[in-house]
Amino acid sequence: GIQVEQSPPDLILQEGANSTLRCNFSDSVNNLQWFHQNPWGQLINLFYIPSGTKQNGRLSATTVATERYSLLYISSSQTTDSGVYFCAAPFMNRDDKIIFGKGTRLHILP
Amino acid sequence: DAEITQSPRHKITETGRQVTLACHQTWNHNNMFWYRQDLGHGLRLIHYSYGVQDTNKGEVSDGYSVSRSNTEDLPLTLESAASSQTSVYFCASSDYRGTELFFGEGSRLTVL
Repeated sequence: GIQVEQSPPDLILQEGANSTLRCNFSDSVNNLQWFHQNPWGQLINLFYIPSGTKQNGRLSATTVATERYSLLYISSSQTTDSGVYFCAAPFMNRDDKIIFGKGTRLHILP
Repeated sequence: DAEITQSPRHKITETGRQVTLACHQTWNHNNMFWYRQDLGHGLRLIHYSYGVQDTNKGEVSDGYSVSRSNTEDLPLTLESAASSQTSVYFCASSDYRGTELFFGEGSRLTVL
């Protein structure tokens, strides 16, 4: 079946460290999104990135659709970056249903 | 500002009762989605709609129903609530198929 796999599942870092989160998807997709779920449960849009690279401040994302993966980079981590990061994609062969990975839980220590 | 609102934000109900969670969006988006979030499972798709009068089943649709009578609303109904439906429910919308998804604040449902 369709799979969206994220790694690592958990990550604990010291404030100021850099990190790379990965998202692999099993089938062709029209685009890919990254979300941050903060400790209050809100889902915040980070990137809508069908292909290529986008940057927003300390965060950037790269999607290589032909190789079916996306990467989220967080530089100079801050405690406010803590939470769960999800990737999600609509699968073209599945009626564009948007499927989520299980997330990477990031904990930034002060 | 356009937004997507869910109500109620918190609800406690008893097994066997009918429950409806409301979702209203002012983005004028064609597509609307319902997800549930549980520990260890991430977000799973319950039902989705690509326009008025269109509804489709997602991964975990058993025990849930939706109807789309206008662009703005997609209510989610639990016909006979079960303890396994205790979860946080998120509504989302997007403009067209495959475009950027935006979420509501979530509704926490507890079934006792």
